[in-house]
Amino acid sequence: DIQMTQSPSSLSASVGDRITITCQASQDIGNSLNWLQQKPQKAPNLLIFDASNLETGVPSRFSATGSGTHFTFTISGLQPEDFATYFCLQYNTPPFTFGPGTTVDIK
Amino acid sequence: QVQLVESGGDLVKPGGSLRLSCAASGFDFSDYYMSWIRQAPGKGLEWLSYISSRDNTIYYTDSVRGRFTISRDNAKNTLFLQMHSLRTDDTAVYYCARGGDGDFWGQGTLVTVSS
Repeated sequence: DIQMTQSPSSLSASVGDRITITCQASQDIGNSLNWLQQKPQKAPNLLIFDASNLETGVPSRFSATGSGTHFTFTISGLQPEDFATYFCLQYNTPPFTFGPGTTVDIK
Repeated sequence: QVQLVESGGDLVKPGGSLRLSCAASGFDFSDYYMSWIRQAPGKGLEWLSYISSRDNTIYYTDSVRGRFTISRDNAKNTLFLQMHSLRTDDTAVYYCARGGDGDFWGQGTLVTVSS
């Protein structure tokens, strides 16, 4: 199975900050990676698909890059509604696997 | 708009069975792979299974293979997950999601396995 490591596991930030989260795959997954946001007691919501493409309706402060085994996710200018948990998901090879998540909370 | 609504979650004893459903609307269900994913309380996400649009490709993760069965009824726009031999560590919120890559998720249904 492809293992996804994600860092940091949590971070504290302020409104307006720029934050970056990374995901590393245990083997090459090409660009088969999504980034999802989950708020407490809610279902995850897709933000980025195919490693770097912004889902329709998602604000442009969200961005992501990467391919192969190393991927990064950035929020440029945190907004109050962005405090949540973020997961990466590889869908290159089943079983598809998630990163353990990064919780972003208010400093 | 796209909607996925899961149902069927319940409290069940270890060794018991349960069938989850996911009613889809707002898109052409028969054109999409569909997946089941779960999240144990306070834990991360675990992808469980997917089924292709016409049933001919199905995959399960090791933890549920042989106990869970995914199926779909394209005429009724519904996805199913039949679960047998349930264990306490199957306790989780179960989500259905569109696609193998989960581009849209339902709100989930809670399965609690406890004696």
